[in-house]
Amino acid sequence: DQQVKQNSPSLSVQEGRISILNCDYTNSMFDYFLWYKKYPAEGPTFLISISSIKDKNEDGRFTVFLNKSAKHLSLHIVPSQPGDSAVYFCAAILSSNTGKLIFGQGTTLQVKP
Amino acid sequence: NAGVTQTPKFRILKIGQSMTLQCAQDMNHNYMYWYRQDPGMGLKLIYYSVGAGITDKGEVPNGYNVSRSTTEDFPLRLELAAPSQTSVYFCASSPSGNYYELYFGPGTRLTVT
Repeated sequence: DQQVKQNSPSLSVQEGRISILNCDYTNSMFDYFLWYKKYPAEGPTFLISISSIKDKNEDGRFTVFLNKSAKHLSLHIVPSQPGDSAVYFCAAILSSNTGKLIFGQGTTLQVKP
Repeated sequence: NAGVTQTPKFRILKIGQSMTLQCAQDMNHNYMYWYRQDPGMGLKLIYYSVGAGITDKGEVPNGYNVSRSTTEDFPLRLELAAPSQTSVYFCASSPSGNYYELYFGPGTRLTVT
């Protein structure tokens, strides 16, 4: 049972344009969400997060939007850069759950120069 | 700070062999985690530890064992390796259970044939 789903395995965008990565979840009890970025042969690194009490969080070129009624979150990257090419994982957690994140399958983003 | 380190980077095991994946962190983090990532899948939690001497099962603990004798080290033991354990293994740490921005190691790629 996949509680966190990223239905698009891959996304390709042109440099300078917007990248939108999507994530859906099934458990309405999740109260914190994160995005991780992963380059080949490296471990994931934290990118941005959002609490369920907010609907938007922004950090530079990266913005995460949360739609609780739709159980959907998205990561916007504006403008996209070739160095953003990586696998992006969304993750969710029950805050009482000792840091046990539930990850989506990942979306591979390619930003073309 | 080296952060989270993992050894070995790569390993090929024969069915039925055993091995220990090493993980160490130098950030004095109490919480440590072992995840596995199968192709096209998200990371799944194998085991976690909330401090020296305390460990607990995650989503997919079967076929693995862990120990946590020090704050720094969190080895993962595979007994009687099976092809289903072919995966990339990531160790992660965080300072506390309600700090969700995990620090990941670079991973160990394990093939069981």
